[in-house]
Amino acid sequence: DQQVKQNSPSLSVQEGRISILNCDYTNSMFDYFLWYKKYPAEGPTFLISISSIKDKNEDGRFTVFLNKSAKHLSLHIVPSQPGDSAVYFCAASLYSGGGADGLTFGKGTHLIIQP
Amino acid sequence: NAGVTQTPKFRILKIGQSMTLQCTQDMNHNYMYWYRQDPGMGLKLIYYSVGAGITDKGEVPNGYNVSRSTTEDFPLRLELAAPSQTSVYFCASRPREGLSDTQYFGPGTRLTVL
Repeated sequence: DQQVKQNSPSLSVQEGRISILNCDYTNSMFDYFLWYKKYPAEGPTFLISISSIKDKNEDGRFTVFLNKSAKHLSLHIVPSQPGDSAVYFCAASLYSGGGADGLTFGKGTHLIIQP
Repeated sequence: NAGVTQTPKFRILKIGQSMTLQCTQDMNHNYMYWYRQDPGMGLKLIYYSVGAGITDKGEVPNGYNVSRSTTEDFPLRLELAAPSQTSVYFCASRPREGLSDTQYFGPGTRLTVL
């Protein structure tokens, strides 16, 4: 039973345009959400996060939106750059603010930025 | 600051062999984690630790053991390797303090069991 779902295995976007990556979750107890970026043969690197008490968080070109009622979050990258080509993982945590439990990950979306 | 380091980078094991995957962090983080990533799948939690001497099972602990004798090190032990343990293994850490659940990952160990 997959609690965090990324239904698009891959996404191709033209350089300079907006990339939108989607993530759905089923566990209403999730309290904190994160996006990680992963290049081949490297570990995931943290990109941006959002607490369940917010509906938007922005960091430079990256914005994460959270719709709690729909159990849906999305990552927007504007403008998309060639270096953004990577696999993006959506992850969720049960406890924000001190919980030790690990993260629950989606399967990832491979973003390809075309010149 | 090296962050989270893992050794070895690659390893091929025969069925029934044992090995230890090493993980070290130099950020003085209390919490440490082991995940595995199978092809086309997300990362799944194997074990985690909230501090020296304290470990707990994650989602997929069968076939693995861990220990945490120091804050810095969190080795993962495979006692009897099986083909189902072919995967990429990631170690991660995070500080106890603060509101963020952001975990910092090592580069991974790619393990093949034949």
